[in-house]
Order: sequence, then C-alpha cells, then structure tokens
Amino acid sequence: QIQLVQSGPELKKPGESLKISCKASGYTFTDYAMQWVKQAPGKGLQYMGWINTQTGKPTYADDFKERFVFSLETSASTAYLQINNLKNEDTATYFCARPYSGLDYWGQGVMVTVSS
Amino acid sequence: DVVLTQTPVSLSVTLGDQASISCRSSQSLEYSDGYTYLEWYLQKPGQSPQLLIYEVSNRFSGVPDRFIGSGSGTDFTLKISRVEPEDLGVYYCFQATHDPYTFGAGTKLELK
Repeated sequence: QIQLVQSGPELKKPGESLKISCKASGYTFTDYAMQWVKQAPGKGLQYMGWINTQTGKPTYADDFKERFVFSLETSASTAYLQINNLKNEDTATYFCARPYSGLDYWGQGVMVTVSS
Repeated sequence: DVVLTQTPVSLSVTLGDQASISCRSSQSLEYSDGYTYLEWYLQKPGQSPQLLIYEVSNRFSGVPDRFIGSGSGTDFTLKISRVEPEDLGVYYCFQATHDPYTFGAGTKLELK
C-alpha cells in the first residue's frame, strides 16, 4: 500500500539546521511530485511548495524562499526538507504529501521545536 | 496570492444534522485546461489531513457519499449530510489552480 513515512521529532536551537525525510513506498516515486505543508501549533495549514521528483526542480511559496531547501534521493524514494538558520517561528509540524488528484497521501508529520 | 475565505470559523452540530461549509476565493479557480482545482480536507485531532474532495466535487476513494462538494468560479461549498462522530475535526479548502497554492483558514466542526 502507498505510504509516506517521515522522520522523527526534532528539538533544535535557533541558528541550527535540520533535515527532515519523507520516504515513499507503494508507488513509483518519480511518477508524482512531492509537496510540503507547515502547521504551526494550534494553527492552520500553510503550503510551502513542491519538488518535481523527475527533475529535482523545487518551487517555493514566498514565505519559504530564503532558508528552506527541498531535495531528493530518488534511489531511496525519499524527499527531504532542510531548514537552515532555524528561528523560533519555525516551530511547527511539517508534512509531506503526494499530489495527484488532490493531496491523496500524507506523511504522519514531523514535529520541529526550536527553542534556546 | 489567492485568498480562500472559509465560513463559518466553527460549526456546532448535533449528530445526524447536515453541515455546510463555504469557501470563497479571491479569484476564479478555473484553470486554463477547464478544470477547477479546489479540494477539501479533514484534519482530525492529532492526525494528518485527509483528502475528501478534489476538483470541486469528486470524492476521493473511500469517502462516504454524505460528503458533497459543489460550486464553481469563486464560490464553493462542502455539505455533510447526517454528521457522524468520525466527521468531527477541522475542514480546510485548498486551491491548486494558481501558484502559490493556498489553504483556507479552516472550519472546526464540533458537537453541540
């Protein structure tokens, strides 16, 4: 069955970096793009952007153009989200999701806490 | 960017009631290919969002037929007939017509 399995929770200090993984299984990884969604504590969903899994080309929403990097390891059917120079406002749960007819499959989310 | 305005912010219902959620877009969501990429998601407490409806009115696999999406252009509605306990949570509309894609702020469906 189709699954997106994300890495575990992270606790980081401001200024540090992290890399979250999203491992896909049950389908051909490069047949579908991968989207990323942020959810701050108690808040709604925020679209971050997507990566073309065939070309590796990322597209970022405006709020995520500076310190955020989408990347791939296609041999491992894995997408990554890297956040550099972490800030307190990056504290959130980050989801990967597969876009097809809608975002039909989602990862379980990674809770990231940024605190000094 | 496209702004999606969801109303109401919260909705209190009795089990078995009908619920209706509105999603209004700041611009038409009809794409140049003729399709309208307006989707609805439900996020239950502590869970990832789950797809309910895509392209305005198409139910995703396994979604009960009590979920009905409708609308066109800038005005869209999700109706839930006969609300059941597993329907409680926060509903989001999402547009994938105009880049950057955007979510509505959410509507919390709770028991009266």
